[in-house]
Amino acid sequence: DTEVTQTPKHLVMGMTNKKSLKCEQHMGHRAMYWYKQKAKKPPELMFVYSYEKLSINESVPSRFSPECPNSSLLNLHLHALQPEDSALYLCASSQRGVSLSGTEAFFGQGTRLTVV
Amino acid sequence: KQEVTQIPAALSVPEGENLVLNCSFTDSAIYNLQWFRQDPGKGLTSLLLIQSSQREQTSGRLNASLDKSSGRSTLYIAASQPGDSATYLCAVGGLGTSGSRLTFGEGTQLTVNP
Repeated sequence: DTEVTQTPKHLVMGMTNKKSLKCEQHMGHRAMYWYKQKAKKPPELMFVYSYEKLSINESVPSRFSPECPNSSLLNLHLHALQPEDSALYLCASSQRGVSLSGTEAFFGQGTRLTVV
Repeated sequence: KQEVTQIPAALSVPEGENLVLNCSFTDSAIYNLQWFRQDPGKGLTSLLLIQSSQREQTSGRLNASLDKSSGRSTLYIAASQPGDSATYLCAVGGLGTSGSRLTFGEGTQLTVNP
């Protein structure tokens, strides 16, 4: 099983709403990632968790708040977003950090977020 | 800072043709390179992973090569089919200034015409 599951698949939210994106994997991976992808652009790294600890925050605005409750789950809490935050949000996992030779990253199907 | 470039940006071929997608990177101190496929509005599907010590990997009609010293990788697709139509992304695994990361190229949008 090489599946990373993301919910919901689609989300429309107002600028004053609070919502959360969820990501789950059961491959025993200890590194998990959030990426943001705008149309016709490559994914951009937002956060990296390694062994449930935040290891990378790519200067992401505080209206995005990640959380890793356990080794299988990764959440992204959203609050007071702007229309320009509309994008495909991708979760990924790997057995260890991708800087270690041989570590393959697996991606979920993404959450299509629209901020109105 | 690692930069990854993919050429061409778009490619349209007739069914059955063999084709090559190119990926180049500026910093040869990589740990691995991964090729992904992405269908419109969908997530990324891992196609092949090449470790820094390897020269190539094969899976079915796909073959990926890596020349770390020259900063290049190619993805060869044999006997292309309409179902191969997608965007192909290469990503380099390495250590950025703030830690372990995958750096993506802009992708090649492939269309295989029946």
